Amino acid sequence: LAKTTQPISMDSYEGQEVNITCSHNNIATNDYITWYQQFPSQGPRFIIQGYKTKVTNEVASLFIPADRKSSTLSLPRVSLSDTAVYYCLVGAGTYNTDKLIFGTGTRLQVFP
Amino acid sequence: SQTIHQWPATLVQPVGSPLSLECTVEGTSNPNLYWYRQAAGRGLQLLFYSVGIGQISSEVPQNLSASRPQDRQFILSSKKLLLSDSGFYLCAWTNSGSSNEQFFGPGTRLTVL
Repeated sequence: LAKTTQPISMDSYEGQEVNITCSHNNIATNDYITWYQQFPSQGPRFIIQGYKTKVTNEVASLFIPADRKSSTLSLPRVSLSDTAVYYCLVGAGTYNTDKLIFGTGTRLQVFP
Repeated sequence: SQTIHQWPATLVQPVGSPLSLECTVEGTSNPNLYWYRQAAGRGLQLLFYSVGIGQISSEVPQNLSASRPQDRQFILSSKKLLLSDSGFYLCAWTNSGSSNEQFFGPGTRLTVL
């Protein structure tokens, strides 16, 4: 399983764009990149998933360079409610025995 | 729609007592099921996962065990709790053989005294 490396914490202000980068140098050919958000005392919640280039949904964008050794989660115009821990995961989604490994994540603090 | 339930929501147990946490999923069949533990201020640690009834894989040696007696039921147990077993326990499921999107339950906060 590919290991991921993320910054431990980040600070931002309301209305700013936040970019969280994750390194995954050993990503395998059939691995997908998935990001989750977790609020205190709740389970993580799926944000976005991608394989290559760029993926965008109503919540965030995910940028993946051609070599796929890193990825960047982009949160546009964050608000106080975006304060949470964000996890980057790498794993294949095509086999029953796959399991996802959560690292320590990036703790995002948004200030007014 | 699919839902996942965990109970109890909170639990306070003395050291050496047994443990049984239950997780059930509704609205899907043959899910992959997972148990995670999260210590205060830490990331999630995968404890067990299961791809079918009676099939359990353990990720971390410990005094916990897991069982899957039914397709959509996943149980986490211990015969004798340790102080270090305190934490936030999360159950999750995915569709077997498809995406990486895991759906998490509300969690159980266990305090061992």
